[in-house]
Formats: sequence, C-alpha cells, structure tokens
Amino acid sequence: EPEVTQTPSHQVTQMGQEVILRCVPISNHLYFYWYRQILGQKVEFLVSFYNNEISEKSEIFDDQFSVERPDGSNFTLKIRSTKLEDSAMYFCASTTGQGRDTQYFGPGTRLTVL
Amino acid sequence: AQTVTQSQPEMSVQEAETVTLSCTYDTSESDYYLFWYKQPPSRQMILVIRQEAYKQQNATENRFSVNFQKAAKSFSLKISDSQLGDAAMYFCAYLGSSYKLIFGSGTRLLVRP
Repeated sequence: EPEVTQTPSHQVTQMGQEVILRCVPISNHLYFYWYRQILGQKVEFLVSFYNNEISEKSEIFDDQFSVERPDGSNFTLKIRSTKLEDSAMYFCASTTGQGRDTQYFGPGTRLTVL
Repeated sequence: AQTVTQSQPEMSVQEAETVTLSCTYDTSESDYYLFWYKQPPSRQMILVIRQEAYKQQNATENRFSVNFQKAAKSFSLKISDSQLGDAAMYFCAYLGSSYKLIFGSGTRLLVRP
C-alpha cells in the first residue's frame, strides 16, 4: 500500500541554524500539507500546497518557513533560522485532492532545537 | 472559526471491553468531514475512521464505529473488544471548506490487560 515517507526521522540542530525536512507524498496525490505537534499538544496546521504554490498558511507559518516541491516527488519544509520553540514533531500529509479526501500522514520528523 | 473539543484527556478500558471516546465540534458549515486518528507511542498519525456529514449512516470499520449526531455536533468513537494494541492517543479532526484538518486536543486511551 502506498504511503507518505519523511526524512529524517529525527533532526537535532542548534538554534539559528537552517533545517530542511523532507517528505515524499503518495505518488498520485496532488495536495500536500505540513502540520506541527509540539510535545503534549494538539496537531496544528502549518501550510497547504497545490499546483506548486501555497494554498493556505497558518499564523505559525511566518517568514522563517518556506515550502517547495523541487522535483516530481519531494515536498520540503525549510526553517531558515530555528528557534527553541520550533522543537516539535512535523508531519507531512497528502491527499488526492478529489473533494475533501482523506489526508494520509507520514511518520513525522522529530525536530529538536538546542 | 471551527473548533474541535475532546473533553476526556484520558480514558481507561479493560481488554476485550468496549470504550467510547467523545468529541464535539463547532461549525456553521453544512458540508464537512470528520475523522478519528490514532497516534501510538511512535507518534505516527494513523487514520481510524472517517464520516461524511451528509451521510446519516454511522461509519464503521471492523471494531471501530462512530456515533455521529449532526444536530448536536457530536462525533464519538466506539471501540469494541478492546485490544492492547489500541492503547494510544486518539485525535478527533474536522475537515471543512478550507481543506485543512482541525484537531482536538486528544484522548489518551489506556488498555488494562
């Protein structure tokens, strides 16, 4: 069964450093998402992406965040200058885009900012 | 703005028994979807069940079923014949016209052997 994959599973970085989180959505899916979950808290929407542009972004998704689909398979989230409060689990999700289809989640990347 | 509320931070159930997790939501939309996701200790988000608001029939998926009360804006999850592997965080989620999932705060389910 096709699945969303994410790399790395765990990323440790120093405050102020740039990180890139990678996702490979399910191959025939058209909508892509990033969500964030700070430890012990609810999952929060960051951004949605369709047709090579951002569809919607949350207040959390400020100028230090960016997303890109550099090729036909990868979908990346870049954090330019990490802060301590960026420490969280980051989930990528994808959907076919046919109406309100189910969003399938990747296993997540745990980001730790020191 | 839509909100999702899970009022039970933690629930406990005896193995093989039945447990119901509660979820309420607030929306002015008439067309939306509701989901239950399971998050085991690995923290992966796994889809458990999905309900379309326009369908009156409650969704079922093996041991998992929902009680969807649209007028009351209630969407509870019933787990029958609970198994040790069911122990996890369970998140209720809403998907409306914005196409982004809005999650509740989660319910931790403990399964006693």
